[in-house]
Amino acid sequence: KAGVTQTPRYLIKTRGQQVTLSCSPISGHRSVSWYQQTPGQGLQFLFEYFSETQRNKGNFPGRFSGRQFSNSRSEMNVSTLELGDSALYLCASSPGEFGGYTFGSGTRLTVV
Amino acid sequence: GENVEQHPSTLSVQEGDSAVIKCTYSDSASNYFPWYKQELGKGPQLIIDIRSNVGEKKDQRIAVTLNKTAKHFSLHITETQPEDSAVYFCAARERGSSFGNEKLTFGTGTRLTIIP
Repeated sequence: KAGVTQTPRYLIKTRGQQVTLSCSPISGHRSVSWYQQTPGQGLQFLFEYFSETQRNKGNFPGRFSGRQFSNSRSEMNVSTLELGDSALYLCASSPGEFGGYTFGSGTRLTVV
Repeated sequence: GENVEQHPSTLSVQEGDSAVIKCTYSDSASNYFPWYKQELGKGPQLIIDIRSNVGEKKDQRIAVTLNKTAKHFSLHITETQPEDSAVYFCAARERGSSFGNEKLTFGTGTRLTIIP
């Protein structure tokens, strides 16, 4: 069974640019969550999607957005990048309410 | 919202000894408590989890205990091996007021080092 796939693995962007990250969940999983991991703030929840609907959102500015497609694949977008957006962005998929969360390997974003 | 505290932040144990990591949570409505292991360059890997209707769960050398009254849960690793060296995160899932309004809140992590 394939795991959670995140692409790309690494990204370097310049301040002010925008970036799109992709996540393919485990087959059959309908819930996709996104987390930001930094040494200073740890793992912080960004948002969660279920059947193409955003069900929950963390305390991040509106520059952070996401979406989910009918095949459950999800993308997150960060606009007007800031140096502080440098982080490991993790995607987790879950079958639903009673399922656990499986994480991908993440996308390492560096903003210069 | 939920707040999860994790201790210690670093832990070094001799190979073969036991390691214990403790977490407390604030929201009594939280109902699911997973533990993750994260190795360098990888995403967190689920190693064990426990639901609020269970007090203890074991999987070979790993066990988790939950005390709902005190709102704390612990990870126990016995007979530690060098490959257990990693960062461990506890988490609590808040039970929202409606279906789907749930998210994981993570502790700050414990860097476990097994000394050969």
